[in-house]
Amino acid sequence: GAVVSQHPSRVICKSGTSVKIECRSLDFQATTMFWYRQFPKQSLMLMATSNEGSKATYEQGVEKDKFLINHASLTLSTLTVTSAHPEDSSFYICSGRGRVAEAFFGQGTRLTVV
Amino acid sequence: QKEVEQDPGPLSVPEGAIVSLNCTYSNSAFQYFMWYRQYSRKGPELLMYTYSSGNKEDGRFTAQVDKSSKYISLFIRDSQPSDSATYLCAMGVANSKLTFGKGITLSVRP
Repeated sequence: GAVVSQHPSRVICKSGTSVKIECRSLDFQATTMFWYRQFPKQSLMLMATSNEGSKATYEQGVEKDKFLINHASLTLSTLTVTSAHPEDSSFYICSGRGRVAEAFFGQGTRLTVV
Repeated sequence: QKEVEQDPGPLSVPEGAIVSLNCTYSNSAFQYFMWYRQYSRKGPELLMYTYSSGNKEDGRFTAQVDKSSKYISLFIRDSQPSDSATYLCAMGVANSKLTFGKGITLSVRP
């Protein structure tokens, strides 16, 4: 299957700082990128959907000013958690989809805000 | 009624058993059906992808889709301890987000 590379895999940051998570599609062009959040032993919670070159569409209840998504190219999308707080600690996963229907996931980023 | 229902489990089977995982759905517009496997603290990995009704086999894995019953299944033959993971069904329509089941945790006992 296609590969989506997500970095960093783990990050610890201080409360009030911002953290950027990168996702790159290595062998396909991700026209759409999905960003998810996952709490322990729970399923994926879609945060937002971004199409290359367009503004992201956020799910209800997700603060767009807090979770900034950029999808400037067909191979790179970023999620920036701004002014992070301990309640933002979670597992964040990106997923890219190209011309086909399947979506391929990154390895995930475990964010801990202290 | 939720769009996608998946038995929450957990499910524990002995090594070598045949495992059957299932999801039902309510949206008749769904065209694409996928199964993902997720190991702890990792991103989901695409296992099987099927379009519309039918069966698809890949090694020890078989995916079935019955659109008339709005029911999909994943069968794992000769299950191995390395198959122990959470399995998520997902489905959708073209150019739209995927809808996921809640996932079922499978444990294969040696």
